Amino acid sequence: EPEVTQTPSHQVTQMGQEVILRCVPISNHLYFYWYRQILGQKVEFLVSFYNNEISEKSEIFDDQFSVERPDGSNFTLKIRSTKLEDSAMYFCASSESGYSNQPQHFGDGTRLSIL
Amino acid sequence: QQPVQSPQAVILREGEDAVINCSSSKALYSVHWYRQKHGEAPVFLMILLKGGEQKGHEKISASFNEKKQQSSLYLTASQLSYSGTYFCGTENGGAQKLVFGQGTRLTINP
Repeated sequence: EPEVTQTPSHQVTQMGQEVILRCVPISNHLYFYWYRQILGQKVEFLVSFYNNEISEKSEIFDDQFSVERPDGSNFTLKIRSTKLEDSAMYFCASSESGYSNQPQHFGDGTRLSIL
Repeated sequence: QQPVQSPQAVILREGEDAVINCSSSKALYSVHWYRQKHGEAPVFLMILLKGGEQKGHEKISASFNEKKQQSSLYLTASQLSYSGTYFCGTENGGAQKLVFGQGTRLTINP
């Protein structure tokens, strides 16, 4: 069964450094998402992306964050100057379309630890 | 505004039933249910669309009450593998943004 893949599985970075999290969505999916989950808490929406543009973003997704689809398969999340509170599990998800009846399939996540 | 899940935690013996509720103060188009095991990604279970539709997946089923803006997840004759945290994600049109509840931790004991 096709799946969303994320790399790396764990990223340790010094505060203030830039970090790029990578995702390969399911190949025929058109919508891509980033969510984050702080340890022990709920999953929070960050951003959705369609047709090479941001569709929607949350209040969390400020100027420090950016997303990009640099080629036909990868989808990346960049955090420019990391803060301690950015430590969390980051999940990438994808769906076939933006319709309400389409499930979002999640990758295994990247655990980001900011020191 | 995030949906509210109840209960926050449930402990069952294998074979018992459970109901997890997800309520929203906003009009919903769909409710997406996920199960997450510790340290793993959320796994999609099912989607409920507005219209009161009931869906099933093995011994797990769910309903969507449009009037109450509430969805309920039913786990029948629970198995050890059902243990995990269940999240509902609500969507208000467009399926571009899921807002998740705080989760319900389900523990199944032998």
